Amino acid sequence: QKEVEQNSGPLSVPEGAIASLNCTYSDRVSQSFFWYRQYSGKSPELIMSIYSNGDKEDGRFTAQLNKASQYVSLLIRDSQPSDSATYLCAGSGGSNYKLTFGKGTLLTVNP
Amino acid sequence: GAGVSQTPSNKVTEKGKYVELRCDPISGHTALYWYRQSLGQGPEFLIYFQGTGAADDSGLPNDRFFAVRPEGSVSTLKIQRTERGDSAVYLCASSSPAGGGNTGELFFGEGSRLTVL
Repeated sequence: QKEVEQNSGPLSVPEGAIASLNCTYSDRVSQSFFWYRQYSGKSPELIMSIYSNGDKEDGRFTAQLNKASQYVSLLIRDSQPSDSATYLCAGSGGSNYKLTFGKGTLLTVNP
Repeated sequence: GAGVSQTPSNKVTEKGKYVELRCDPISGHTALYWYRQSLGQGPEFLIYFQGTGAADDSGLPNDRFFAVRPEGSVSTLKIQRTERGDSAVYLCASSSPAGGGNTGELFFGEGSRLTVL
């Protein structure tokens, strides 16, 4: 198993729908998790971090972590066309400077 | 500056040449990172500086790659005898003392796109 795996998509949802992005990880990167958003041709930007089991909400974004299943997800409610981007899941094994990224999932929100 | 600045934004070189990529982090950020992103992939860790010293260079792929940060601010990634497989976007990031190691919040620059012909 790769250390961080994501469904590369593309994922297409209509405007206003919930977009669900998923990520699984190996034991080596099992401490902290991060979701970065990357617009085409731009640099990654942190949108959510999560460290413990359960849900963490920030505006329209909710991150969910299940350490027993080694699974982390990002839900985007009321999706907007401006949410169209690649979403990168990243994990760290204790030193948060050294992030291991997945390949990213391309999300398209259709007006 | 307001954000992480990287130069050049694009670099085309021939196989076997030497290249330098420069990164100017956010003022006050002591931690600096280099990542590499190939097409269709996520960023891949190369090296981490805390101040002037390389705290972790375990991601450098081989001895053709070297990075310095002599005064604890600007960093230069150096690639010798470039190969076509080195073609990628080289991303620099920085973080504040309270961020990075605690929060994983890295502020990325726009990257330097390297193409080796």
